[in-house]
Amino acid sequence: GESVGLHLPTLSVQEGDNSIINCAYSNSASDYFIWYKQESGKGPQFIIDIRSNMDKRQGQRVTVLLNKTVKHLSLQIAATQPGDSAVYFCAEKKSNYQLIWGAGTKLIIKP
Amino acid sequence: DGGITQSPKYLFRKEGQNVTLSCEQNLNHDAMYWYRQDPGQGLRLIYYSQIVNDFQKGDIAEGYSVSREKKESFPLTVTSAQKNPTAFYLCASRAPGLANTGELFFGEGSRLTVL
Repeated sequence: GESVGLHLPTLSVQEGDNSIINCAYSNSASDYFIWYKQESGKGPQFIIDIRSNMDKRQGQRVTVLLNKTVKHLSLQIAATQPGDSAVYFCAEKKSNYQLIWGAGTKLIIKP
Repeated sequence: DGGITQSPKYLFRKEGQNVTLSCEQNLNHDAMYWYRQDPGQGLRLIYYSQIVNDFQKGDIAEGYSVSREKKESFPLTVTSAQKNPTAFYLCASRAPGLANTGELFFGEGSRLTVL
């Protein structure tokens, strides 16, 4: 069935290092993926998205990689800062109006 | 500033009571959504509305109701039929130009606790 899962529920990273958050998906027909950041007590914020005709997409300090062969998605954050502390969600598009959300990975920044 | 406003931020309810969560947006977005978030889980879609006077059930609509009488407003009622209503509720909207994406604008959420 359809599902979006994350490999690690919590990730601790030293400030200044790069962070890599992983996500697996099961529907090989999915053609669109998206990452959100949710800070404590707030709603999620869009970070970056990628379509299945791409392997990589870069934003400001973030890169999303898509490996369709193994149905794996990752979010890389360069030079992690304290403000990056949050829960990160990957989601895949189910229809034009629906997303399937993963459970989230909590990113903790160590000073 | 444009955005989505949810109220109340915190709400306590006794079992058997209906409660209504407010969601207002001044972004001029057509599409609006209600999600439920439980600890350690991803968001689950309750209802969505593509246009005024129209709304569709999401994956977990049972025990909830919505209305969309105005473009700006999409209130959610949690009825007494909802068996486990304690959760964090998030309202979102989507810009018309982003119809083929998953980019949503979220409010800050309403935390409902049933006593």
